Amino acid sequence: QAQLVESGGGVAQPGGSLRLSCEASGFTFTNYGVHWVRQAPGKGLEWVAVISDDGNYKFYADSVKGRFTISRDNSKKTLYLQMNSLRPEDTAVYFCAKGRSLFGVPWDSLDIWGQGTMVAVSS
Amino acid sequence: QSALTQPASVSGSPGQSLTISCTGTTSDIGGHNYVSWYQQHPGKGPQLLIYGVTYRPSGVSIRFSASKSGNTASLTISGLQAEDEADYYCSAHRGTTVLFGGGTRLTVL
Repeated sequence: QAQLVESGGGVAQPGGSLRLSCEASGFTFTNYGVHWVRQAPGKGLEWVAVISDDGNYKFYADSVKGRFTISRDNSKKTLYLQMNSLRPEDTAVYFCAKGRSLFGVPWDSLDIWGQGTMVAVSS
Repeated sequence: QSALTQPASVSGSPGQSLTISCTGTTSDIGGHNYVSWYQQHPGKGPQLLIYGVTYRPSGVSIRFSASKSGNTASLTISGLQAEDEADYYCSAHRGTTVLFGGGTRLTVL
């Protein structure tokens, strides 16, 4: 059964950094693009970033461009999100999600989601 | 304010049908067929309901159907059940950016 499990969330100060991880199991991780999507408390979903199956392309939301970096280690079946220069508005539950199609386009539907990890940015 | 516009809330009685709309522009919903819908229950990760405008993934109830006309996508839920009470989100891309609607809270009366 395909599964994604996020970790690494916690409390950070404004201007600080955190690195999130997302471990995949139950599917061939190397064949799919993967995304980060966040949800602020009581708010809707906001797409954050995507990385292709081979890591050759990465796209970001304007709100995180230049501060966040998405990466993956296919040998470890793990997706990462390095978050620098954190702001209070980055406070959210961060989900990782898998693209639906084999070697799919960056804007593919997301068919497997993790349970999320909470990031709180506060002084 | 989200780039894709959904009603904040809808409600219906068990057994009824209802439709949730999602309005975008010619640069997103109106420009391609990569439109998706997701269901999210409180405290859980979202679940894919619809992809490619009208397609249901394996395991999703046939009570969920969807369509698109111009810049507006629609999700229809027929034979409402208590378990359908959740938040629903549409999604589409604009260029290399993935957009979500603001979400619609469905209440089963």
